[in-house]
Amino acid sequence: DAKTTQPNSMESNEEEPVHLPCNHSTISGTDYIHWYRQLPSQGPEYVIHGLTSNVNNRMASLAIAEDRKSSTLILHRATLRDAAVYYCILSHRRGGNKLVFGAGTILRVKS
Amino acid sequence: NAGVMQNPRHLVRRRGQEARLRCSPMKGHSHVYWYRQLPEEGLKFMVYLQKENIIDESGMPKERFSAEFPKEGPSILRIQQVVRGDSAAYFCASSPISRRGYEQYFGPGTRLTVT
Repeated sequence: DAKTTQPNSMESNEEEPVHLPCNHSTISGTDYIHWYRQLPSQGPEYVIHGLTSNVNNRMASLAIAEDRKSSTLILHRATLRDAAVYYCILSHRRGGNKLVFGAGTILRVKS
Repeated sequence: NAGVMQNPRHLVRRRGQEARLRCSPMKGHSHVYWYRQLPEEGLKFMVYLQKENIIDESGMPKERFSAEFPKEGPSILRIQQVVRGDSAAYFCASSPISRRGYEQYFGPGTRLTVT
C-alpha cells in the first residue's frame, strides 16, 4: 500500500502563508490525496482532497505535483485557530473508504 | 444541517462492564465509520458500515467489540467486558456516498475511561 511521508512539525507566524508538504512516491494512478486536520481535543476535520489537478476551497489549496509523487497543502493566511495536526492520506482502491492516518504534521502558529 | 453527533461525550466504566457508544450520521448520509485514538497514538480505523450491513471490519479487535447500524436509529459501537486498554477516544464519521474521493465528516468523539 502506498504510504505518505510528512514532517513531524512545522511552525508559522500568524497571518503568513503555510506550505505543508507530503510525499507519496508510491501513489497509484487512482489514489486520491486527502487532507484532514485535528485540532486539540476535537475530531478530525476534512480540509481538501484531489486526484490530479490543483484544488481550491474556502479553507485551503492543494497543489499536486505533475508526477503525483508529492503534494502541498497551502493555508493562505495562518491564524491561531489553524494550529492542529495535519494528516495527508491516500485512499486506496483495495482499502475501500477507510482512512489510514499516519502521524501527521503538528503545525504551530505563533502570534 | 446538524453535523455528526456522538453520545455520550464522556463515558466512565469499571473493568468488566459494557460500553455503548452511539453515533448519528449527518442527515442524508448512509455510510458510517468508526475510528479509535489511543492516548498519545494516531487514529486507527475500526469498522465501516452501511445501513444494516458491515462492509469492512478489518480494524475491529477480534473479541468483545461489535458494531451495528440499524435501519432506524444511530450506529452503535459496543464494547463488552471493558479493560483498561480500551480507554481511548472513539470517533465516528459519516459520508454521503461510497466513493474514494468523498470526504468523511467526523463527530466530536466519545472519550471512554475504564477504571
